[in-house]
Amino acid sequence: GENVEQHPSTLSVQEGDSAVIKCTYSDSASNYFPWYKQELGKRPQLIIDIRSNVGEKKDQRIAVTLNKTAKHFSLHITETQPEDSAVYFCAARESSASKIIFGSGTRLSIRP
Amino acid sequence: NAGVTQTPKFRILKIGQSMTLQCTQDMNHNYMYWYRQDPGMGLKLIYYSVGAGITDKGEVPNGYNVSRSTTEDFPLRLELAAPSQTSVYFCASRQQGAEEKLFFGSGTQLSVL
Repeated sequence: GENVEQHPSTLSVQEGDSAVIKCTYSDSASNYFPWYKQELGKRPQLIIDIRSNVGEKKDQRIAVTLNKTAKHFSLHITETQPEDSAVYFCAARESSASKIIFGSGTRLSIRP
Repeated sequence: NAGVTQTPKFRILKIGQSMTLQCTQDMNHNYMYWYRQDPGMGLKLIYYSVGAGITDKGEVPNGYNVSRSTTEDFPLRLELAAPSQTSVYFCASRQQGAEEKLFFGSGTQLSVL
């Protein structure tokens, strides 16, 4: 089955700087890779996703890149703001299955 | 639409007790999922369902059971609760097709003492 590893587990960046979170997956059949943000005490919410037929996707300050050959994908947040402080989860879904497997999460802190 | 509704929000169980976590969605989603989130950890898939009458195991199914008799409801049953089942439980649903966004419930915080 699919296994998703996520790094780093914690990340602290200065406000205005960029943050990068990386994930690797094990199953080459996976073709959908979402990223979720979870604020303290709240439920996870989708912030961006990418499919295997696309190498990069952007939405304002957030971007995701995918390297299918290396089986890794990354979340990039530019011009970080205090409201970006949260836990971020990557995930992967196999093309032939309905299971969505999550990484272990990254706690992002933005220093003022 | 209420979205995904979970009850209860909080529960304390004694070791060996049983309980059912309720999850219902009003979006007519085919897919439903149960995840657990241990403190400071990621989301682990317990069970999932692709439609009424169909369920399958996820990453950590031991100690749990599910049923899916209707499209709307996907209850999670804990039998013989153990301290290792202390966690926050999230139910989620999504539509079949191009839109794959998971809609999460607000979670159930369970402590087994």
